[in-house]
Amino acid sequence: KNEVEQSPQNLTAQEGEFITINCSYSVGISALHWLQQHPGGGIVSLFMLSSGKKKHGRLIATINIQEKHSSLHITASHPRDSAVYICAVHSGSRLTFGEGTQLTVNP
Amino acid sequence: NAGVTQTPKFRILKIGQSMTLQCAQDMNHNYMYWYRQDPGMGLKLIYYSVGAGITDKGEVPNGYNVSRSTTEDFPLRLELAAPSQTSVYFCASSHGTGASYEQYFGPGTRLTVT
Repeated sequence: KNEVEQSPQNLTAQEGEFITINCSYSVGISALHWLQQHPGGGIVSLFMLSSGKKKHGRLIATINIQEKHSSLHITASHPRDSAVYICAVHSGSRLTFGEGTQLTVNP
Repeated sequence: NAGVTQTPKFRILKIGQSMTLQCAQDMNHNYMYWYRQDPGMGLKLIYYSVGAGITDKGEVPNGYNVSRSTTEDFPLRLELAAPSQTSVYFCASSHGTGASYEQYFGPGTRLTVT
């Protein structure tokens, strides 16, 4: 079993829908990261959080340390949100990555 | 700032050939990392460095070597390329290694070994 599990693996939505991507982990962590990888391959950091909730524009990330679970929400989704979303946990001095969720938003 | 740059973007190698993937950052970050990304798998750490002259193995170091002679550069060397090394390689850097430090990624190098 991977230390970081994401669900779903693939997600297709219509423009405007509310989207949720989930991340569960099995190790003790000091922080959790959400990353976005666009079709061109580049990876950018969206959020880094160790408790509670963070919001940036239409993106919201939450984490429940006790349940070892995090969610990434996208409100009013748009085709430009189509990308792979990656959850990564910071444990010790290293990052452990989930396999990613491929999101496709259709117009 | 250019951030983290990687060259080449694409490369095809024959089995047994060698090559060096270049990585440079201009943010004066002490920490640099090499990852590989295989289809359907999470990124795996190959090697990392905590500063010039200091490198250490990650999860999947076999078949690779690194050096860190300057703060800016962190090349990854593949000796005797094998088909199992077909992957997308990402270099990243960060100011520190703690949980509050964001990693900045390069654009990736897509390597095919045939």
